[in-house]
Amino acid sequence: NAGVMQNPRHLVRRRGQEARLRCSPMKGHSHVYWYRQLPEEGLKFMVYLQKENIIDESGMPKERFSAEFPKEGPSILRIQQVVRGDSAAYFCASSPPVGGIDEQYFGPGTRLTVT
Amino acid sequence: SQQGEEDPQALSIQEGENATMNCSYKTSINNLQWYRQNSGRGLVHLILIRSNEREKHSGRLRVTLDTSKKSSSLLITASRAADTASYFCATGRETSGSRLTFGEGTQLTVNP
Repeated sequence: NAGVMQNPRHLVRRRGQEARLRCSPMKGHSHVYWYRQLPEEGLKFMVYLQKENIIDESGMPKERFSAEFPKEGPSILRIQQVVRGDSAAYFCASSPPVGGIDEQYFGPGTRLTVT
Repeated sequence: SQQGEEDPQALSIQEGENATMNCSYKTSINNLQWYRQNSGRGLVHLILIRSNEREKHSGRLRVTLDTSKKSSSLLITASRAADTASYFCATGRETSGSRLTFGEGTQLTVNP
């Protein structure tokens, strides 16, 4: 049973380009969460999605950031017109349909570097 | 200060010693979880303790929760060099939906 998959593991973008981060949840999990970790800091919640629905996006910046979790395929975190401050590790987590505030299973993360 | 603060920020011990890390939080919670993160890697779930529990064990790990003081501690006994990592506490609250709120972490170094 594969864990949470994220790709790419490392992504380098120049300022102004777009970054697309993908997350495939664990089999049977229908809840996906995105967190951002700046260097030397803890993880900060960004968005919580279920299939085809954004449940809570209160942690996501209002501009340039968007997230989706389509009926088919992985969840996508999209950052438009990246800036240096977007450089961080982005982690995806998933949980089964029941008990979202219980254990969340984390992926290995995508490390975004904006040059 | 933020929900879920770990103390100390950094801890350096010798192999075989015990390591204790503390976490404080501000609001009521449903559960508190501890995660480990090796340098440059993802998070590994260690243990979850619910708000109606006071103590939980898993192998060399012992977690306590004091809801009256809004604090938790993680004890790693007989530490090993492989325990070197950052340790984070994360709280879950019904009123925050399903998000976890993480602390800033404790960097543990176990010297061989």
